[in-house]
Amino acid sequence: DTGVSQDPRHKITKRGQNVTFRCDPISEHNRLYWYRQTLGQGPEFLTYFQNEAQLEKSRLLSDRFSAERPKGSFSTLEIQRTEQGDSAMYLCASSLELAGSTGELFFGEGSRLTVL
Amino acid sequence: DQQVKQNSPSLSVQEGRISILNCDYTNSMFDYFLWYKKYPAEGPTFLISISSIKDKNEDGRFTVFLNKSAKHLSLHIVPSQPGDSAVYFCAAGGTSYDKVIFGPGTSLSVIP
Repeated sequence: DTGVSQDPRHKITKRGQNVTFRCDPISEHNRLYWYRQTLGQGPEFLTYFQNEAQLEKSRLLSDRFSAERPKGSFSTLEIQRTEQGDSAMYLCASSLELAGSTGELFFGEGSRLTVL
Repeated sequence: DQQVKQNSPSLSVQEGRISILNCDYTNSMFDYFLWYKKYPAEGPTFLISISSIKDKNEDGRFTVFLNKSAKHLSLHIVPSQPGDSAVYFCAAGGTSYDKVIFGPGTSLSVIP
């Protein structure tokens, strides 16, 4: 399978605990995105990387959230001191950005977080 | 502020008929627009896109129309099939943006 993979698919945690999600993008893709989706809403942009550089972070991303892409390959998204409002589907996507590209993103199946 | 809007949360269509999903946007700087389809428990998958310099793009049963003056686009599915039942997201991006912005989605049900 050469698509975007995310792990874990589901995570249930207690409020105040830390959680970490991993994303493995399509290998030749240089851009990696994290989005969050809640019920009845579309994916909301959180942050993205061009290779290993984190180029933009949304205002939605509080100081409790941190993302890394240490070698320009896989990425991790960590949420510290989770709150019930963090419950959502966390989606990872990758793309190959070339001049004239049309923004097609390839999404993983998502990591669903439930904070009790 | 919601830059990409889909004002119809849901739509039901009979199998074989046309499905029309609508999308409005507020930012004239977008360079391209996309439609994604999402089944439950799966990530969104790309369906079709259109550049801002075009007014129509067709791919099999799927056609996207863009009206820049009205800041409106629509996705036509003809003929609709039960397997088309999913949530459809309108999205937009551009060279001035490094991210794709999604609308809230429209849930399409195609009734056999």
